[in-house]
Amino acid sequence: GENVEQHPSTLSVQEGDSAVIKCTYSDSASNYFPWYKQELGKRPQLIIDIRSNVGEKKDQRIAVTLNKTAKHFSLHITETQPEDSAVYFCAASKMPDKLIFGTGTRLQVFP
Amino acid sequence: KAGVTQTPRYLIKTRGQQVTLSCSPISGHRSVSWYQQTPGQGLQFLFEYFSETQRNKGNFPGRFSGRQFSNSRSEMNVSTLELGDSALYLCASSPTRRISYNEQFFGPGTRLTVL
Repeated sequence: GENVEQHPSTLSVQEGDSAVIKCTYSDSASNYFPWYKQELGKRPQLIIDIRSNVGEKKDQRIAVTLNKTAKHFSLHITETQPEDSAVYFCAASKMPDKLIFGTGTRLQVFP
Repeated sequence: KAGVTQTPRYLIKTRGQQVTLSCSPISGHRSVSWYQQTPGQGLQFLFEYFSETQRNKGNFPGRFSGRQFSNSRSEMNVSTLELGDSALYLCASSPTRRISYNEQFFGPGTRLTVL
């Protein structure tokens, strides 16, 4: 069935360094790939998304890349800050189908 | 605009009981999806409702059910509770079913503990 694998499960970086989180999806028909950030005790919030007709998308310090052939996509955070510390979830969807989430990556940014 | 609200925020039940959780979407949103969040499994899709009809269902047993009312408010019910049902239950609303066209906004969740 549909599955999204996410790695790593935890990631620790020094403030100012870059962080990369990778996801692999199983359903080649998936065409929408959002990323959510969930701070401790708060609800998940969409931070960036990409559709299958685009290879890369940037929004300030965050970017997402998509490789449809390999069926994987990645989140890149540059110049990390302590407020970037949170759990990040990737997801994949066949529009207008349901979102299948990865298991999450706990990112810790140390000052 | 008020955000997605969920009630109750916390709930403690014992095995074998049943529970009903409520979700009020953002005004004007017609699609409501439910997710179960656990530390080991992340967010798992339960079901989606649109125009009072279940449109999609995840891989959960029949003990999990839901419904949507004409004002788009949604409830989910879990019968014969098991210890493994302890989780944070999140609902998310969006204006339409097209997830990629309209962001899904999450509620704060209901933390269910089964003893």
